Amino acid sequence: AQKITQTQPGMFVQEKEAVTLDCTYDTSDQSYGLFWYKQPSSGEMIFLIYQGSYDEQNATEGRYSLNFQKARKSANLVISASQLGDSAMYFCAMREKVNDMRFGAGTRLTVKP
Amino acid sequence: DAGITQSPRYKITETGRQVTLMCHQTWSHSYMFWYRQDLGHGLRLIYYSAAADITDKGEVPDGYVVSRSKTENFPLTLESATRSQTSVYFCASIAGRTSSDSYNEQFFGPGTRLTVL
Repeated sequence: AQKITQTQPGMFVQEKEAVTLDCTYDTSDQSYGLFWYKQPSSGEMIFLIYQGSYDEQNATEGRYSLNFQKARKSANLVISASQLGDSAMYFCAMREKVNDMRFGAGTRLTVKP
Repeated sequence: DAGITQSPRYKITETGRQVTLMCHQTWSHSYMFWYRQDLGHGLRLIYYSAAADITDKGEVPDGYVVSRSKTENFPLTLESATRSQTSVYFCASIAGRTSSDSYNEQFFGPGTRLTVL
């Protein structure tokens, strides 16, 4: 069964605007971690942001914030003030066990000048 | 240089051949992982290792073999390559024991693009 769902295969955003990338997850565990990674065209996986299941505050890292709604099992990534360099694939991931990180299918974000 | 390196970065092989993808990390991280990335699937775990000489299957292990005789190396072998194994392969590592809800960044190598003809 799909544990991580990213419903937006592709997204467009105007430069300098904010964009939200959706992620929902499925787990019956109380303890888990949620991650977002960026994959530019060069191919490497770049860690962006982390949210623990017990964290009460939404995680923020610079222009990235994670909108964590535990009851809805959603962990949307918000990128503020988009830049051309933000154009990339974005993956949501969940770790229930240390040896098991599951990834969504990804969202391709294109920032328009 | 410190970090995770993978070799080769690109490989073309033929159906039925044996191929080994190498992964080396310089941090002495306990956990190491192999993922494959295919369109529409994100990354899927092939095998992982909790320490030297300890390996276990992930989500898609069929057709692959791993070993870990040294902490820093985690080679992945395709014993008889098939076209369905054409993919991008990522090696990753985590520093040590962690609970699932603890922040513990998973570091990725640069990837190996494998094409099986």
